Amino acid sequence: GENVEQHPSTLSVQEGDSAVIKCTYSDSASNYFPWYKQELGKRPQLIIDIRSNVGEKKDQRIAVTLNKTAKHFSLHITETQPEDSAVYFCAASKRGWTGANNLFFGTGTRLTVIP
Amino acid sequence: DAGVIQSPRHEVTEMGQEVTLRCKPISGHDYLFWYRQTMMRGLELLIYFNNNVPIDDSGMPEDRFSAKMPNASFSTLKIQPSEPRDSAVYFCASSFAFGLPSTDTQYFGPGTRLTVL
Repeated sequence: GENVEQHPSTLSVQEGDSAVIKCTYSDSASNYFPWYKQELGKRPQLIIDIRSNVGEKKDQRIAVTLNKTAKHFSLHITETQPEDSAVYFCAASKRGWTGANNLFFGTGTRLTVIP
Repeated sequence: DAGVIQSPRHEVTEMGQEVTLRCKPISGHDYLFWYRQTMMRGLELLIYFNNNVPIDDSGMPEDRFSAKMPNASFSTLKIQPSEPRDSAVYFCASSFAFGLPSTDTQYFGPGTRLTVL
């Protein structure tokens, strides 16, 4: 099955700096890579996703890059703000003919933005 | 849209008791997923359904766990008998996977925090 590894497990940055979280996956057939943000005591919420036919995607201060050859993808947060502090999870799935996209999650990165 | 609804939000029970967690997916979604989250093991997929049919239950830890989806708007996860190591947050998520690619996002419910004493 798919194995997703995520690094670092914790990350502290000064407000205004950038944060980068990296993930690798093992199954070359994976074609969908979402990122979830989970605030303390809350549910995981999708913040951005990318599909295997795209190399980069941006949404305001958040961007995700995908390198299919190397089987890794990264989350970039620019101009970090205290409200970005949370646990971030990467995930991978392959959407087969059944349409299923059961997600394989990384172990999470706890991001702390220091004011 | 009310989103994915889970109940109860918190459950405290004693070892050996039966626990039933409930989930109502987003209307129209055809996939439903049950996850367990702990500090030690992170987010684990337990089982998922497509059109009310269980597709993959390989993540269910043992026979004490069972899940059902009697109709498109309701699912249960049952633990019988419960053990302290079952203490975790259990999330339900749903998605619509046969539409446009942009619609197959998984939406999580608020979770049920289970404590087994």
